[in-house]
Amino acid sequence: NAGVTQTPKFQVLKTGQSMTLQCAQDMNHNSMYWYRQDPGMGLRLIYYSASEGTTDKGEVPNGYNVSRLNKREFSLRLESAAPSQTSVYFCASREGTGNYEQYFGPGTRLTVT
Amino acid sequence: AQTVTQSQPEMSVQEAETVTLSCTYDTSENNYYLFWYKQPPSRQMILVIRQEAYKQQNATENRFSVNFQKAAKSFSLKISDSQLGDTAMYFCARGGGANSKLTFGKGITLSVRP
Repeated sequence: NAGVTQTPKFQVLKTGQSMTLQCAQDMNHNSMYWYRQDPGMGLRLIYYSASEGTTDKGEVPNGYNVSRLNKREFSLRLESAAPSQTSVYFCASREGTGNYEQYFGPGTRLTVT
Repeated sequence: AQTVTQSQPEMSVQEAETVTLSCTYDTSENNYYLFWYKQPPSRQMILVIRQEAYKQQNATENRFSVNFQKAAKSFSLKISDSQLGDTAMYFCARGGGANSKLTFGKGITLSVRP
């Protein structure tokens, strides 16, 4: 049981390049989330998917898109990376039955130069 | 916006001593949960303790306990017998509402001195 996995762990992009961060969970959870973590800012919600087939914007969605591919997988895409998107990105999942606890992946450190 | 506030950016404690990390929050929900997450240098987010708002009894997990003051919207974490492995960033978070999103505080860096 791997929990929540994310790929890649590290990535360096040039301004304007695109990339997709992958996230998968094997806990049969309904809800999945993408956060970014910046120094002094805590974790901020980018997008979330309350259930398979639905996605919604969080606090900081600009410059990102998401796809809930199936119940297990939730990807985050940067279409045209900007230096302001340099951050650590976390994916999380939640069972969805009233327990609000979220389980986190190991994170992706992204640097945009 | 409903916020979570951690006013202390960093703290330091001597090994084996007790330390309390403070957190206040804002919410209009009746049913919500509160969490403390630990983030060691490995970057992994680890759940330390959780508290259901409808429960009056404070949650306890081994050396970790909370002081939950619902009326004051305060949720502090007490770490007893601090260990070197407790050195980490700690985040307070509130969960609730229709979409069950978590709102995080900005975190506090805790250093345990040998």
